[in-house]
Parts: sequence; structure tokens; C-alpha cells
Amino acid sequence: RKEVEQDPGPFNVPEGATVAFNCTYSNSASQSFFWYRQDCRKEPKLLMSVYSSGNEDGRFTAQLNRASQYISLLIRDSKLSDSATYLCVVNMGSSGSARQLTFGSGTQLTVLP
Amino acid sequence: NAGVTQTPKFRVLKTGQSMTLLCAQDMNHEYMYWYRQDPGMGLRLIHYSVGEGTTAKGEVPDGYNVSRLKKQNFLLGLESAAPSQTSVYFCASKGSRLADSYEQYFGPGTRLTVT
Repeated sequence: RKEVEQDPGPFNVPEGATVAFNCTYSNSASQSFFWYRQDCRKEPKLLMSVYSSGNEDGRFTAQLNRASQYISLLIRDSKLSDSATYLCVVNMGSSGSARQLTFGSGTQLTVLP
Repeated sequence: NAGVTQTPKFRVLKTGQSMTLLCAQDMNHEYMYWYRQDPGMGLRLIHYSVGEGTTAKGEVPDGYNVSRLKKQNFLLGLESAAPSQTSVYFCASKGSRLADSYEQYFGPGTRLTVT
């Protein structure tokens, strides 16, 4: 079983739609959680961290359910510029730790005009 | 600041050839990482370094060697390239302080094809 599992998609949605991505992780000792965004043929970039209380950044909302070992990302009012691959990422260590990130294989989103 | 840079951006090798990928960062980060990304596999850690002169194996280290002689540079070597090493290679760096962001900063990637 993969340590971090995501639905690979692709998700094709019209502009303005709301879309949700889910991710599960296998290691209950995981400490920190993130969503990264990767544009086609580019490097991954941090989109947002995911906190137990849930957090929101503009049109993006991230949720964490430790009991179910489940992470989600909700994008409201989708824009064409949201088209990318979204990577669910889990870290065993704290912020100052070198502990490596474990990446899901990504969910591809295409927002259609 | 250039952030994280990688050299070269593209390379084609024949089986058995060797090469070195260079990663440089100007953020004074202690931690540096080499990943490979293959379709449907996500990013997998090859080797990492927690400081100048130190390196450690990641998830998929076989066939690769690394060196961190200077804090700002992290080199990835392929001694005898194999077609299975065809991939996109990303370097990343991260600060070591608790106050630092969780974020790993990635370079633009090197696309390597081994024929």
C-alpha cells in the first residue's frame, strides 16, 4: 500500500465550479500535512499547510481528519489558472526537522472555459 | 535571490555513461534533497543532506551517489546510467530552524533520458 494515496483524476471542471480532492495516508505517526501545486513541466510549490482545525486561504480550504488519516482540499469558484496537479504531502517530522516529505502521486485538475 | 537552481536542464545519456547533476541554493539552507519524479509515482527521495559534509540515503538511493562539499551545493552523480534512471530530477532545500517554514523549495528540475 502506498504511504500517501490520491485519486489521480483527471478532474475536468468548468470555470466557477467547486472541486474537492481527497488523500489518505497510512502512517498514523505523521505530524504535518501539506498540499503542493505542480504546473505542467514545472517544480512543485507549496500551496498550503493543513491543520487539524482546518484552514482556509482565499478560495482554498484544507481539512485534516487524523482519526481517519484523511486530508482534503476544496477549491471554490475554480479559475483557469487553477489547472495543475495537486500533490498531497505528509511529513513525519516537525518544522525544523530534516525528515523527508512523502508525496502522493498527484491529482490532475483541468478547469475548462 | 535565485532560490534553487539546477544544472543542466536537459540531458540525454547512453547506457553506461556517467554524469553529475548540480544543485545550488542561495538561501543558506541546511537541508538539501534530491528527488526523482516518474509518471504515476509521485516524487521519491533519492538522497538528502542535513549539512555540509553529510549525506544520507532516501527511499531509492541505488545507482546514485551524492556529495555536499559546500553548504550551498548538492551534487547528484550517476556512475553508470541505466534506462531505468530516465526521469525528472528535482533538487530541494529547507531551513533547519523551528521558526523556518515547513516548505521545501524546489529547483526547476533536470530532465534526463538514458537510451
